[in-house]
Amino acid sequence: GQNIDQPTEMTATEGAIVQINCTYQTSGFNGLFWYQQHAGEAPTFLSYNVLDGLEEKGRFSSFLSRSKGYSYLLLKELQMKDSASYLCAALDSNYQLIWGAGTKLIIKP
Amino acid sequence: ETGVTQTPRHLVMGMTNKKSLKCEQHLGHNAMYWYKQSAKKPLELMFVYSLEERVENNSVPSRFSPECPNSSHLFLHLHTLQPEDSALYLCASSPGTDYREQFFGPGTRLTVL
Repeated sequence: GQNIDQPTEMTATEGAIVQINCTYQTSGFNGLFWYQQHAGEAPTFLSYNVLDGLEEKGRFSSFLSRSKGYSYLLLKELQMKDSASYLCAALDSNYQLIWGAGTKLIIKP
Repeated sequence: ETGVTQTPRHLVMGMTNKKSLKCEQHLGHNAMYWYKQSAKKPLELMFVYSLEERVENNSVPSRFSPECPNSSHLFLHLHTLQPEDSALYLCASSPGTDYREQFFGPGTRLTVL
């Protein structure tokens, strides 16, 4: 079956760095998405990776290894506003989007 | 107004009620989606519309009935729901149906008593 695994919850300190991991098992692969969702709000798009490697966007970076079925989202210089859930989703060969349950990130002062 | 809007933001209904959720997108996108989000569970895709035609229905119970009168509007009609249908219902849109550049609305928090 198709599956996405990511940790349920993580805690980090303001100003620090945190890495949120995601592993996926899909029938074929057409890319991996990361979304941010603040409590009570809509998910917002963060990144899309389809090729191996690291893509950086300001404080946020996303990494993909297709051979390992693995991705991570790296958040640097953490701010209190980064407290949110981070959703990982993989696009399979039929362009079906398989979602993880999300990682709730708690930032402490 | 820009982006994807949803109304109402909160809805409480009894199991015998009939209600509708509304979604509107102002992005000129061709595809629209309904998702169900339950606590600590992955997003569940319910329906996909492309250019007003339903292209996907993921085994959703018939008590949920979608309607897409045009490419900017999407409705989800609800009737005789069950308490386990209580969840956040999210609408999204994208230029095509490959899920890239998918924009989500704020959701409707539904509680079924």
